[in-house]
Amino acid sequence: DTEVTQTPKHLVMGMTNKKSLKCEQHMGHRAMYWYKQKAKKPPELMFVYSYEKLSINESVPSRFSPECPNSSLLNLHLHALQPEDSALYLCASSQEGGSYNSPLHFGNGTRLTVT
Amino acid sequence: RKEVEQDPGPFNVPEGATVAFNCTYSNSASQSFFWYRQDCRKEPKLLMSVYSSGNEDGRFTAQLNRASQYISLLIRDSKLSDSATYLCVGQMDSSYKLIFGSGTRLLVRP
Repeated sequence: DTEVTQTPKHLVMGMTNKKSLKCEQHMGHRAMYWYKQKAKKPPELMFVYSYEKLSINESVPSRFSPECPNSSLLNLHLHALQPEDSALYLCASSQEGGSYNSPLHFGNGTRLTVT
Repeated sequence: RKEVEQDPGPFNVPEGATVAFNCTYSNSASQSFFWYRQDCRKEPKLLMSVYSSGNEDGRFTAQLNRASQYISLLIRDSKLSDSATYLCVGQMDSSYKLIFGSGTRLLVRP
């Protein structure tokens, strides 16, 4: 069982829609991440929050907007997406972002389809 | 050159076989390494961390060779359920950014 919970599991949205992806962890981890994964490719980092502050934005388009309301929650707000944004969106957390031997724990992902 | 490179496979082996994957990294400052397994359409799951001294967890053994800058994963007595993609991941210095290899696909046949 995953200790990082993501909702929804599946999402279909039109290019004019606004939707949000949600992620929650109760492991006391202080770093949380959003990754995007296309088929047969490794996960690509989008954002990192450390101690509830945005630490890394990997030049992600502004149609993706992250939010970290508290240390357990991470959201990804979506607006005016393109069909090529269809992918598996993975949330992850780690105990101490930036410290050695701090592996990622992934949620089960949201499979997003943009029509 | 990619920072973390893996043979994409697929490795097609019979049940009970021993199979080994290698992964090379280019940044000698890399500090921590991990192996993840990912089933089709599922999230990556941590299989094991990799230590310089080598570590073993049941049928799985991971080793790190810093001099040659490679990491290995050995799977003994392969099971059908081992069929998955295995991702090699490196943590560069103290960055939050973990670098993923492109994954090695393993197919274990009856």
